[in-house]
Amino acid sequence: NAGVTQTPKFRVLKTGQSMTLLCAQDMNHEYMYWYRQDPGMGLRLIHYSVGEGTTAKGEVPDGYNVSRLKKQNFLLGLESAAPSQTSVYFCASSPRAAQSWHMNTEAFFGQGTRLTVV
Amino acid sequence: AQTVTQSQPEMSVQEAETVTLSCTYDTSENNYYLFWYKQPPSRQMILVIRQEAYKQQNATENRFSVNFQKAAKSFSLKISDSQLGDTAMYFCAFMKEGGYGNKLVFGAGTILRVKS
Repeated sequence: NAGVTQTPKFRVLKTGQSMTLLCAQDMNHEYMYWYRQDPGMGLRLIHYSVGEGTTAKGEVPDGYNVSRLKKQNFLLGLESAAPSQTSVYFCASSPRAAQSWHMNTEAFFGQGTRLTVV
Repeated sequence: AQTVTQSQPEMSVQEAETVTLSCTYDTSENNYYLFWYKQPPSRQMILVIRQEAYKQQNATENRFSVNFQKAAKSFSLKISDSQLGDTAMYFCAFMKEGGYGNKLVFGAGTILRVKS
């Protein structure tokens, strides 16, 4: 009954370092997302994927890259971390919409990753 | 582009009382979904309630209900009989129906504190 699992839960990086956040879902969802949460700004979409091998930019994509090589995994990469990327990062997944008002539109979220860049 | 506005950064309520959290949104779409998510101190995002724009009837889930005013683009959350466990950040969110990728647009959130 795992749902959406994010790794790691916490991380401290030095400016300029790189890292990858891993998201795994076991619900066979087509859609996956990466959001960042900052005080006073809610959650903002970084990148998303509508299926294996596809990715698309969200609202705040700069400084991040993503990959979806397997349907169940969605990776978020920071090539050269900056203090402005200090945030809480959430991964989410949702099923693909079939028919408009019969679809289950609920997104399921991981528990978040608190990243601090010093 | 859609925007979601939550004008109350923080609110507090006494245990067992009723509180209403406000949310307004801006969209040119006619068909869409609205959500309230709860984020307790554990950081977990929990879906509280959802509303389909085509439905005139307001959604309810136990102590949680919404007042959906489509013409006014307003979507408030009412919590009745508030409990200490309701203390959390609450996010209002919008999803366009049929949009590419079912993307959610979130408001800035409202911190709700339930006092004993």
